[in-house]
Amino acid sequence: NAGVTQTPKFRVLKTGQSMTLLCAQDMNHEYMYWYRQDPGMGLRLIHYSVGEGTTAKGEVPDGYNVSRLKKQNFLLGLESAAPSQTSVYFCASSYSWREGFQETQYFGPGTRLLVL
Amino acid sequence: SQQGEEDPQALSIQEGENATMNCSYKTSINNLQWYRQNSGRGLVHLILIRSNEREKHSGRLRVTLDTSKKSSSLLITASRAADTASYFCAAGNSGAGSYQLTFGKGTKLSVIP
Repeated sequence: NAGVTQTPKFRVLKTGQSMTLLCAQDMNHEYMYWYRQDPGMGLRLIHYSVGEGTTAKGEVPDGYNVSRLKKQNFLLGLESAAPSQTSVYFCASSYSWREGFQETQYFGPGTRLLVL
Repeated sequence: SQQGEEDPQALSIQEGENATMNCSYKTSINNLQWYRQNSGRGLVHLILIRSNEREKHSGRLRVTLDTSKKSSSLLITASRAADTASYFCAAGNSGAGSYQLTFGKGTKLSVIP
């Protein structure tokens, strides 16, 4: 199993450009998440999905859009990149929450994004 | 807002010593999780403690949870240089049919050989 993979690993954008980050998981997890991590900060939730075809906003959703067309993939889009979106982006996945189940999240290796 | 807040922000110890990190959170939780992040890598789950548990062990890790004080601690015994990493607590709670983790800012642990 590859676990959670992220593409690309590193990207440089100019202000106003758009891009899509791809997350893929092969664990048949229902839940998927996108986080951003800034220096000296923990992870902040951008958007998440509780199943194929569903998405929901997290703590810091502005400037991002997401799609979950297939269960194994979760895409994060930046329509018009801004320097404030320079960050490391992590994707994670987990089984659906239900009582007595381990709610562990499995993380990808991250995508470093620099917006100039 | 950050639900979990770790203390201290940074900790430097000698190999073989114990390392203790603390975490406080703000709202009710289903569970409290601890994750580890090596430099430049993704987070790796270490241990989960449920809201009705007070203490849990896993190898050299010991986690305590005090829901009355909304706090948790992670103890790493007999530390090794390989334990050098950042450690994050994450408060897990369910609501509106979903489940989310809210992470703290982390404790950066340096274990000196």
